[in-house]
Amino acid sequence: GQQVMQIPQYQHVQEGEDFTTYCNSSTTLSNIQWYKQRPGGHPVFLIQLVKSGEVKKQKRLTFQFGEAKKNSSLHITATQTTDVGTYFCADHNFNKFYFGSGTKLNVKP
Amino acid sequence: DTGVSQDPRHKITKRGQNVTFRCDPISEHNRLYWYRQTLGQGPEFLTYFQNEAQLEKSRLLSDRFSAERPKGSFSTLEIQRTEQGDSAMYLCASSLSGIGGRSSGNTIYFGEGSWLTVV
Repeated sequence: GQQVMQIPQYQHVQEGEDFTTYCNSSTTLSNIQWYKQRPGGHPVFLIQLVKSGEVKKQKRLTFQFGEAKKNSSLHITATQTTDVGTYFCADHNFNKFYFGSGTKLNVKP
Repeated sequence: DTGVSQDPRHKITKRGQNVTFRCDPISEHNRLYWYRQTLGQGPEFLTYFQNEAQLEKSRLLSDRFSAERPKGSFSTLEIQRTEQGDSAMYLCASSLSGIGGRSSGNTIYFGEGSWLTVV
């Protein structure tokens, strides 16, 4: 299946700092979804990007899909402690979802 | 509350024993997925059903694993002769999709997961 790579693996930030995680693929992605998993919880859908160059915002979160549809990013402005968790991108391809390894975000108050 | 229920939430079993997990998807959802997740990794696709038909199985799903969805509603995942390497969280997810062909715009909703520890 499609393989998506995420970097960084871990990120520790001070509350109020920004955070970005990147998702990369060697091949063109059909569409990409982002999920958040809180510690001890299950993945929860955040957003889906479909179009080349698409940018979507949800409050402090900004999601981008690359022009070539081979990469995507999630940017959080002014992190809060409630942002703690692991953020996954997932390639939605032919009825299956292939997840990256995730970026674990820790926010220090 | 995502509406996807999994049972049991936690299971500790001895190596060699069989275990079965149950998943009740969101009621109107026709697709059901099983994923496996180990610590520090993303969910790995195992298999999925469209109604009662099992449409695809990952190579990760050895012959000790079997999944069923007999009436197109709930599903079970059985692991026979468990090994320590089977220790993981088994996630069920469901979605609503059109019949046949490639789908776009589908969101999958995960259950809370079933944690398996093989000792």
